Amino acid sequence: AQTVTQSQPEMSVQEAETVTLSCTYDTSESDYYLFWYKQPPSRQMILVIRQEAYKQQNATENRFSVNFQKAAKSFSLKISDSQLGDAAMYFCAYRPYTSGTYKYIFGTGTRLKVLA
Amino acid sequence: DARVTQTPRDKVTEMGQEVTMRCQPILGHNTVFWYRQTMMQGLELLAYFRNRAPLDDSGMPKDRFSAEMPDATLATLKIQPSEPRDSAVYFCASGLDDRAAGGNTIYFGEGSWLTVV
Repeated sequence: AQTVTQSQPEMSVQEAETVTLSCTYDTSESDYYLFWYKQPPSRQMILVIRQEAYKQQNATENRFSVNFQKAAKSFSLKISDSQLGDAAMYFCAYRPYTSGTYKYIFGTGTRLKVLA
Repeated sequence: DARVTQTPRDKVTEMGQEVTMRCQPILGHNTVFWYRQTMMQGLELLAYFRNRAPLDDSGMPKDRFSAEMPDATLATLKIQPSEPRDSAVYFCASGLDDRAAGGNTIYFGEGSWLTVV
């Protein structure tokens, strides 16, 4: 079964510091997508960053970057220069690129607290 | 700015009542998803559609839940009769399943917070 695991229920980071959120997944597919979504208290699910498995280069979006280790099935999110507005639940998600399959599987989330 | 629109945003209803949640996907998107979020279960996929055709609703309690897409601009999730255990946030998401166009990202609506008393 395809699963996504976020082993850190909660993390804290000091403002302006760097934090890394972990995500591992289990799959037998070779082609797939990985995502990080952010859910602030407003409950809106916001896309942070995405990675295509066939691309070697790690994705980056401003202060957000990923460390994609395909062999280890690991997809961690690094937030640099943390800001108070980064406080939220962060969800890792996986979607196989298989014809006829459109399921996006989410992890259980990591709550990030940013300390002033 | 294109977005997924969901109604109602919040709803409190009595047990046994019918509840209908509506979703307008982003124009041009061909996949639509319904998720339920609770503290205990996290994000559960209830059903999804591609080009308005239902592809999988195995995550949905069939006896009381139904999901439809009467047209490309509207998806509905209905609960009849509602029960207290249905209390949750229900999200609609849409995406464009087209790798060549840079698709395969799904975008969420703001969710409908349902409370059944």
